[in-house]
Amino acid sequence: DQQVKQNSPSLSVQEGRISILNCDYTNSMFDYFLWYKKYPAEGPTFLISISSIKDKNEDGRFTVFLNKSAKHLSLHIVPSQPGDSAVYFCAADLNAGGTSYGKLTFGQGTILTVHP
Amino acid sequence: DGGITQSPKYLFRKEGQNVTLSCEQNLNHDAMYWYRQDPGQGLRLIYYSQIVNDFQKGDIAEGYSVSREKKESFPLTVTSAQKNPTAFYLCASKRNYEPQHFGDGTRLSIL
Repeated sequence: DQQVKQNSPSLSVQEGRISILNCDYTNSMFDYFLWYKKYPAEGPTFLISISSIKDKNEDGRFTVFLNKSAKHLSLHIVPSQPGDSAVYFCAADLNAGGTSYGKLTFGQGTILTVHP
Repeated sequence: DGGITQSPKYLFRKEGQNVTLSCEQNLNHDAMYWYRQDPGQGLRLIYYSQIVNDFQKGDIAEGYSVSREKKESFPLTVTSAQKNPTAFYLCASKRNYEPQHFGDGTRLSIL
């Protein structure tokens, strides 16, 4: 039972355009969500997060949107750059509001390719 | 320079052998984690530890063992009981209220 799903295995975008990566979850107890970026043969690096009390969080070119009723979140990258080409994972956490050494549940990842 | 060090980067194991993957962090993080990544799949949690001398099973702990004798170190042993050990193994650590930070991983292959 996959509680966090990224249904698009890959996404191809032209440089300068918007990249939209999607993530769905089934467990309504998740209350904190994160996006990680991963290059081949390296560990994931943290990009941006959002708490369930918000519906949007922005950091430079990266914006995460959360739709709790639809159990859906998305990562927008504007403008996309060739260096953004990587695998993007969404992850969900329980009880992140309190003392949390959270166990993250990850999606399968989406390979983003940004063409010059 | 603070970070998480996983060694070795590549590891080969003969069938029937146990092998231990190293994870060291100098970030003074309390919690540490081990994940496994298979091709086309997300990261799956093997074990995690919130404090020294304590650890809990994750979603796929069978065939693995860990220890947490020091705050900085969280080694993972892949035992011969793990039937499909070939994978990319990632270690992470975390301070409260902050996201998990990851090492660069160890790729384990069976000879």
